[in-house]
Amino acid sequence: SQTIHQWPATLVQPVGSPLSLECTVEGTSNPNLYWYRQAAGRGLQLLFYSVGIGQISSEVPQNLSASRPQDRQFILSSKKLLLSDSGFYLCAWSGQANEKLFFGSGTQLSVL
Amino acid sequence: AQSVSQHNHHVILSEAASLELGCNYSYGGTVNLFWYVQYPGQHLQLLLKYFSGDPLVKGIKGFEAEFIKSKFSFNLRKPSVQWSDTAEYFCAVNDRASGTYKYIFGTGTRLKVLA
Repeated sequence: SQTIHQWPATLVQPVGSPLSLECTVEGTSNPNLYWYRQAAGRGLQLLFYSVGIGQISSEVPQNLSASRPQDRQFILSSKKLLLSDSGFYLCAWSGQANEKLFFGSGTQLSVL
Repeated sequence: AQSVSQHNHHVILSEAASLELGCNYSYGGTVNLFWYVQYPGQHLQLLLKYFSGDPLVKGIKGFEAEFIKSKFSFNLRKPSVQWSDTAEYFCAVNDRASGTYKYIFGTGTRLKVLA
């Protein structure tokens, strides 16, 4: 069966430090991959999605970037974190049939 | 650009009350529609989905939703809620035709069911 792993679960980082959040999917090939940010009262904001290795679509101009170095690996990065980057980050995947999203457990990022 | 509106941000109900959560989307093309639920401390999970066919779809745990194309709506309903339905509910839309694979979510509705 397919599983999605996302880590770390929580992260506290100082302003100006770099960020790397990793997400991997097992049990499927060529998934569509997504990064969302969840904030209270604002729902799930789509940040990036990828339909293949090296193919990244950005939805919101911001201080973050994403990369997909391998088929089932999706990385969210920042060179210098801002206070406003604090939030709950969710990774998700869908199959090529695109029938639903499967979500990871999320990373709570606090930038201090 | 597509958007999804959920008008009820917080809903408090007593057990056995009926539930209806509103969802409207703005997109003129062919869409897939979803309701996701996030129980306290758990992952987001799919409650139900509509792709085509019968506009009244049934999901898990007694939930159903009705797609009304003329109103761009996909409201979630349950005739009698239980304490265990306390959760946050998200409506989402996916553009079927363009193949962009984007899932756009609403702001969510926090439901609290009082025992």
